[in-house]
Amino acid sequence: DTEVTQTPKHLVMGMTNKKSLKCEQHMGHRAMYWYKQKAKKPPELMFVYSYEKLSINESVPSRFSPECPNSSLLNLHLHALQPEDSALYLCASGQGGNQPQHFGDGTRLSIL
Amino acid sequence: AQRVTQPEKLLSVFKGAPVELKCNYSYSGSPELFWYVQYSRQRLQLLLRHISRESIKGFTADLNKGETSFHLKKPFAQEEDSAMYYCALNLNTGGFKTIFGAGTRLFVKA
Repeated sequence: DTEVTQTPKHLVMGMTNKKSLKCEQHMGHRAMYWYKQKAKKPPELMFVYSYEKLSINESVPSRFSPECPNSSLLNLHLHALQPEDSALYLCASGQGGNQPQHFGDGTRLSIL
Repeated sequence: AQRVTQPEKLLSVFKGAPVELKCNYSYSGSPELFWYVQYSRQRLQLLLRHISRESIKGFTADLNKGETSFHLKKPFAQEEDSAMYYCALNLNTGGFKTIFGAGTRLFVKA
């Protein structure tokens, strides 16, 4: 299995809701990533987990809370989001070094 | 500072014409460079990595350490090459961080 799977594909939520995005990979990659991508812009790194531990947090607001339950799963918990948080959220996995990242299809998030 | 620069936001060429998407980087370590492509309504995917020195879909990219460049080239563009292209740099740190350029949208006209 050489894919990164993200669920749900689309999510609409109000500013007071709590929801979670899920990501799964079975390639044995030691690093997993969350990116935010706005239209016509490059992916913007949010978090990196390496060996199931949070290694990078790019000063992301606390209304986004990542979690890595095991080496294959990555979650992003959302709470009290703002309209400007509407974007495509991408998950990726990789080995670092001279190895590329593998991306999921993303979750398109809309905040009402 | 670590940086990846893609100077062109949009590149428009005619089918059959040569195409070159520019990428320059700034990094004090040994660079691990990649080109990723995002076709309309598809996931971001790897196109090329410098270490493999291969040609994918007719595209090639050569790392020039003297000019700190990793330009993507194709001698004869096809309409199906129209997509968003990102140059990316893996940092050789324990945090597994990747820096992406701003991207170049390639539009190949019939």
